[in-house]
Amino acid sequence: DGGITQSPKYLFRKEGQNVTLSCEQNLNHDAMYWYRQDPGQGLRLIYYSQIVNDFQKGDIAEGYSVSREKKESFPLTVTSAQKNPTAFYLCASSTSGINEQFFGPGTRLTVL
Amino acid sequence: AQTVTQSQPEMSVQEAETVTLSCTYDTSESDYYLFWYKQPPSRQMILVIRQEAYKQQNATENRFSVNFQKAAKSFSLKISDSQLGDAAMYFCGSSTGTYKYIFGTGTRLKVLA
Repeated sequence: DGGITQSPKYLFRKEGQNVTLSCEQNLNHDAMYWYRQDPGQGLRLIYYSQIVNDFQKGDIAEGYSVSREKKESFPLTVTSAQKNPTAFYLCASSTSGINEQFFGPGTRLTVL
Repeated sequence: AQTVTQSQPEMSVQEAETVTLSCTYDTSESDYYLFWYKQPPSRQMILVIRQEAYKQQNATENRFSVNFQKAAKSFSLKISDSQLGDAAMYFCGSSTGTYKYIFGTGTRLKVLA
């Protein structure tokens, strides 16, 4: 079955630590995205990648970093510079920048 | 700038009845797509329906249909024969080809048995 997987489902981090969230897709989509969702709010774009080896900052990129070395994979690193990282993180992919996005199941990150 | 507004934070509907969720948008682009996504308690975003702006006919997917009013920049979602499994957050979204999708703040739909 084609789809998007994210791991882990739950992640706990101590203050000052960097953590990496995994996102893998087997839909053969060129574009991939990372969103952050806080309680009672919509989705805010962190980073997006149109093709392999290329990515751009979204609206809230500070404190985050990404890489896109393979078409299938778009990992997100939450660095210690991110002041309030506790949130729900969603990864998505699409065939282009206008077609519908397909989402993974999400990762809940909690800073202890 | 591209914006999407959902003015109803919460809606309720009786099981088997019909409910309409509202969404307005603004864009200066002539080519754009509009979407409705469902986010159940599992929190995974599921595409419900999409509408291409150049199509005049309203999109329909089984019990879900949209009322796309291009001049008014309105894109409402109608759910017919509501079921308990329809209870979720519903997000309206738009895209213009820039890879920056815009989403509204969501409407929580409660389905009453």
